Amino acid sequence: QKEVEQNSGPLSVPEGAIASLNCTYSDRGSQSFFWYRQYSGKSPELIMSIYSNGDKEDGRFTAQLNKASQYVSLLIRDSQPSDSATYLCAVGNNNNDMRFGAGTRLTVKP
Amino acid sequence: DAGVIQSPRHEVTEMGQEVTLRCKPISGHDYLFWYRQTMMRGLELLIYFNNNVPIDDSGMPEDRFSAKMPNASFSTLKIQPSEPRDSAVYFCASSGSMGPETQYFGPGTRLLVL
Repeated sequence: QKEVEQNSGPLSVPEGAIASLNCTYSDRGSQSFFWYRQYSGKSPELIMSIYSNGDKEDGRFTAQLNKASQYVSLLIRDSQPSDSATYLCAVGNNNNDMRFGAGTRLTVKP
Repeated sequence: DAGVIQSPRHEVTEMGQEVTLRCKPISGHDYLFWYRQTMMRGLELLIYFNNNVPIDDSGMPEDRFSAKMPNASFSTLKIQPSEPRDSAVYFCASSGSMGPETQYFGPGTRLLVL
């Protein structure tokens, strides 16, 4: 079992819709959770972090964490074509390193 | 503020040659990470440093890979000898006061070993 699992996609949504990206992790001791956005040919860019159960909102982005289910998600409201990218879920533990999922490729169609 | 700087941006070399990748972290950051990204394996942590000291190198694939951080503003990742399967994008990332897990990535070095 991979440490961090994501559906590779591609996930395709129409412009203006809500995009829902999901991630599960295997280490119950994980403490911190991140979403990175990576445009094709570019480096990962941190867009959200979440540390406690529940929802965290930042503009059009909402991260959701459920530690009991070992599940973290990212919702993108009012999706725009510029949101088309690969979204990487990353999970941190007490060892100060992070494990990344393989990423979900999102396409927002105009 | 300059972000993480990596050089070269692209490297094409022949199998058996030595390759050296360079990274300058964001000024004031005390954590530095080296990652490798391929289509098959995704983004993998190779090694990370704290205050110039290697903390965890368990991700380094084999003895052909080595990394150094002689001072707070410079790190190298060396592959000797290089092999075609080393072809990947190598990212350097750094983090600081926000904690080691809030990492800022450099633009990456795209390595092709023929």
